[in-house]
Amino acid sequence: GESVGLHLPTLSVQEGDNSIINCAYSNSASDYFIWYKQESGKGPQFIIDIRSNMDKRQGQRVTVLLNKTVKHLSLQIAATQPGDSAVYFCAYQTGGSYIPTFGRGTSLIVHP
Amino acid sequence: DGGITQSPKYLFRKEGQNVTLSCEQNLNHDAMYWYRQDPGQGLRLIYYSQIVNDFQKGDIAEGYSVSREKKESFPLTVTSAQKNPTAFYLCASSIGALLTGELFFGEGSRLTVL
Repeated sequence: GESVGLHLPTLSVQEGDNSIINCAYSNSASDYFIWYKQESGKGPQFIIDIRSNMDKRQGQRVTVLLNKTVKHLSLQIAATQPGDSAVYFCAYQTGGSYIPTFGRGTSLIVHP
Repeated sequence: DGGITQSPKYLFRKEGQNVTLSCEQNLNHDAMYWYRQDPGQGLRLIYYSQIVNDFQKGDIAEGYSVSREKKESFPLTVTSAQKNPTAFYLCASSIGALLTGELFFGEGSRLTVL
């Protein structure tokens, strides 16, 4: 798997707003996608996943959208709260390989 | 509770010394991974293991070594050959090679070389 060692983009929102975090992937054969949340000084934690036979999946306050045509994945967080402040990573896997490829990550900052 | 335990959480070492970071899991997962994370950056794969007594280099394996003598354990040694070892190290596990699934991460080990 690869990950990109670049500095993270930042999304800054007000508490109560909806947040949208985006991720582009390169391999059209990717068939499993995951969003992780990483709080400062901790390991990433699973938020939600989606398989390539779906284009939308909803969880509690979170929705993942998959657009295979343009190889784009997004995470929508409804009514963003200060506790949502973290770095969010997308990861994707391709059939035949269990090694995930991580996206570059986005830092979400929620202002009270 | 099932999970991944990394130790130590913080580690300080002098330049030129080898250090070993511990990673233990009780999830009965076959696959284990080590990632490096630098400040404000993403995750880079160091080594991974699909099964006991087998491991493969990731994208940045130079200066690191691992072993997988037991299913539960995947220690990482940061050797003196690693030119810039100060970083946050994350261990993870997943069900296994033939199944897609989430990675379960430990809480990380922060290594600082003085």
